Amino acid sequence: DGGITQSPKYLFRKEGQNVTLSCEQNLNHDAMYWYRQDPGQGLRLIYYSQIVNDFQKGDIAEGYSVSREKKESFPLTVTSAQKNPTAFYLCASSTRQDQQFFGPGTRLTVL
Amino acid sequence: DQQVKQNSPSLSVQEGRISILNCDYTNSMFDYFLWYKKYPAEGPTFLISISSIKDKNEDGRFTVFLNKSAKHLSLHIVPSQPGDSAVYFCAASPGGGSNYKLTFGKGTLLTVNP
Repeated sequence: DGGITQSPKYLFRKEGQNVTLSCEQNLNHDAMYWYRQDPGQGLRLIYYSQIVNDFQKGDIAEGYSVSREKKESFPLTVTSAQKNPTAFYLCASSTRQDQQFFGPGTRLTVL
Repeated sequence: DQQVKQNSPSLSVQEGRISILNCDYTNSMFDYFLWYKKYPAEGPTFLISISSIKDKNEDGRFTVFLNKSAKHLSLHIVPSQPGDSAVYFCAASPGGGSNYKLTFGKGTLLTVNP
């Protein structure tokens, strides 16, 4: 089945540790995105990538980093510089002229 | 500055009735609009979209209306079903084929009571 996978579903980390969230898609989409959702908030864009080896900051990129070495993969690293990392993280992908398809999300809790 | 606003955090309707979810936007460059549905702890799923060249788009029980002059769109669900209970997000994208960035509203929690 084609789709977007995110792993793990739940992730716990100690404060001060970097953590990497996985996102893989087999939809052959060029563009991929990372969003963050907090209670009572909409989805806020962290980073996006329109093509392999290229990515741009979204609205809340501080404390995060990404890479796009393969078309299928767009991992997100939450660094210790991110002040409030506990959130629900969503990955999405799209073709250039289509709606975005979302993965199931990763709930990150920093203890 | 919030460019996409969903001013009603929640909405409650009876099963079988119409649900109307509203969304306002401020950026005149937006010309493609989408509605997503989201259950807790899951990713959003696409519901319906509309381009600015149209004022209405219908898909089964879901209809989206766009009023460009008022910078307002609405999602109508008729008839509403208990399974429609979820958070609904409005999203907007600028034109020129640059459908890379979506700006989302904060969402409206719809509860459909049996």
